[in-house]
Amino acid sequence: DTAVSQTPKYLVTQMGNDKSIKCEQNLGHDTMYWYKQDSKKFLKIMFSYNNKELIINETVPNRFSPKSPDKAHLNLHINSLELGDSAVYFCASSHAGSSYEQYFGPGTRLTVT
Amino acid sequence: SQQGEEDPQALSIQEGENATMNCSYKTSINNLQWYRQNSGRGLVHLILIRSNEREKHSGRLRVTLDTSKKSSSLLITASRAADTASYFCATDDSSYKLIFGSGTRLLVRP
Repeated sequence: DTAVSQTPKYLVTQMGNDKSIKCEQNLGHDTMYWYKQDSKKFLKIMFSYNNKELIINETVPNRFSPKSPDKAHLNLHINSLELGDSAVYFCASSHAGSSYEQYFGPGTRLTVT
Repeated sequence: SQQGEEDPQALSIQEGENATMNCSYKTSINNLQWYRQNSGRGLVHLILIRSNEREKHSGRLRVTLDTSKKSSSLLITASRAADTASYFCATDDSSYKLIFGSGTRLLVRP
């Protein structure tokens, strides 16, 4: 069984479009995260939710809006896509707090043309 | 930001040799974690070492932590071709946030 799953795996779209990435975890974790990994492999936290509440919101453009309908799901909606949004987006989950290991999804490679 | 810096950025070794990667960070931490990322995949947790620990082992992995120097090292002994991956350290400051380093790309030649 896949612990953290993301869909889609690949997403190619044009500038200005709106797109969503979905994430689900079946580990019973309280906390979920979105990370962005750029072309140089640098991984940066974007958002974190704990029990459906937003607890981390890094300096991310407000075109990015996370939504957590329940503890097991954290989706990422991106409005008005820009070329610079091209990256690999990873979802992750863990027990509450950063003293626990995080489990990562397989990633969604977003290409904006 | 207390982003970690890994050193070296890239490392190429022969199968059977040991691989050592280093991580330095900037501020006080609660714990430090090491992750592996195979090409095109998500990160996989390897080991977590708490700030009051100095050394930890897991199979062929050995991690050390020197909080006075704000540094950690990951040693992979008797490397295998399957160890080829990028390795990242990640630190936390008691918030929910992990800060990842820039990664070391390890190539193990058969």
